[in-house]
Amino acid sequence: NAGVMQNPRHLVRRRGQEARLRCSPMKGHSHVYWYRQLPEEGLKFMVYLQKENIIDESGMPKERFSAEFPKEGPSILRIQQVVRGDSAAYFCASSRSRDRGQPFTYEQYFGPGTRLTVT
Amino acid sequence: DAKTTQPPSMDCAEGRAANLPCNHSTISGNEYVYWYRQIHSQGPQYIIHGLKNNETNEMASLIITEDRKSSTLILPHATLRDTAVYYCIVRVGYSGGGADGLTFGKGTHLIIQP
Repeated sequence: NAGVMQNPRHLVRRRGQEARLRCSPMKGHSHVYWYRQLPEEGLKFMVYLQKENIIDESGMPKERFSAEFPKEGPSILRIQQVVRGDSAAYFCASSRSRDRGQPFTYEQYFGPGTRLTVT
Repeated sequence: DAKTTQPPSMDCAEGRAANLPCNHSTISGNEYVYWYRQIHSQGPQYIIHGLKNNETNEMASLIITEDRKSSTLILPHATLRDTAVYYCIVRVGYSGGGADGLTFGKGTHLIIQP
């Protein structure tokens, strides 16, 4: 049973370019979460998606960042016009589905991360 | 989600039990205690979670006090590979109740000494 997959593992972009990070959830998982870890800092939640829906994007920067989780294919985190401050490790996690309103304890499983370096 | 307090760092000798404390004095009745760890530069790894009863799995044991205001993660026989930052996270256990993202604090940097 393959775990959460992220690619690329390392990505180098020059200032002003676009970065696209991909995440394939674990088999049977339909919930995806993106987190960012800046150098020497803790993990920060960015966005939570289900298939074709953004459920919570309270942690996403207001500009240049977007995320999607299409019906087919991986979830994509897109950063437009990257700046040096975007250099960080970006982690994706997935969890199982749950019935709305019911207690859930479905833990999140994390991928290995994508290390973005902006030069 | 309730706030948690953990010591910034701890040492433990290899082969001994590592006991990592966490205070969550403002925890509410529907909040669970989760533990994750992050080994250097890797993605966080789920360890264990619990509501009010003590829990054990193949990785660790979780002891929650009767008043639920604190808990202890126990790694029974620590190895060098257990050196990592350990995060105690408290969160609501009902879907649709708001953000489902995990809130990571600074955690405890556990160093296993040979």
